[in-house]
Amino acid sequence: DSGVTQTPKHLITATGQRVTLRCSPRSGDLSVYWYQQSLDQGLQFLIQYYNGEERAKGNILERFSAQQFPDLHSELNLSSLELGDSALYFCASSSTGDPYNEQFFGPGTRLTVL
Amino acid sequence: AQKVTQAQTEISVVEKEDVTLDCVYETRDTTYYLFWYKQPPSGELVFLIRRNSFDEQNEISGRYSWNFQKSTSSFNFTITASQVVDSAVYFCALSEAGGGFKTIFGAGTRLFVKA
Repeated sequence: DSGVTQTPKHLITATGQRVTLRCSPRSGDLSVYWYQQSLDQGLQFLIQYYNGEERAKGNILERFSAQQFPDLHSELNLSSLELGDSALYFCASSSTGDPYNEQFFGPGTRLTVL
Repeated sequence: AQKVTQAQTEISVVEKEDVTLDCVYETRDTTYYLFWYKQPPSGELVFLIRRNSFDEQNEISGRYSWNFQKSTSSFNFTITASQVVDSAVYFCALSEAGGGFKTIFGAGTRLFVKA
């Protein structure tokens, strides 16, 4: 158990809908990362937050947004969902968010868009 | 630009065989960090090791060993005397000190260890 929690574990929704994925980092970690894992794209970095502020952006679509709250939990919002958004979404946390930090991953949220 | 290549998509071995997973990286930064993560069938990625660009010492941890060679931009991972529990997807990853805090993962190598 990494100490990172993600909810929900599974999510099934329809195209065009909007969903919110939630992540709580390990106790003491200030940085949160979001990744998307799909069969054809592999593990893609989406976005990183550090202590409430956006720190780095990867291949995140404009339909997706995220934030990190004062209690350090984070939410990833996915809107106008398409079939291709079906994937496993991971949250990870690290102590300071610096490049040398190892990341601790949550169990993931499996999103299925029908 | 950052790039991590894991050319081996899948490897299948029989228990007790040794197996090496290859990782080749590209970076323009002189300070960077390499990682290996394991994703077992349960799905959660688990950190295995970190190496910084100034430390080319090889590392051994039980049955696991890592060979970092800057001359060939490789960071290979060897499992000695493989076991069924080693069956997983293994990811190599790269972060650059000047790379804006992004971590780039390779495509992963799926390892099957048969009893």
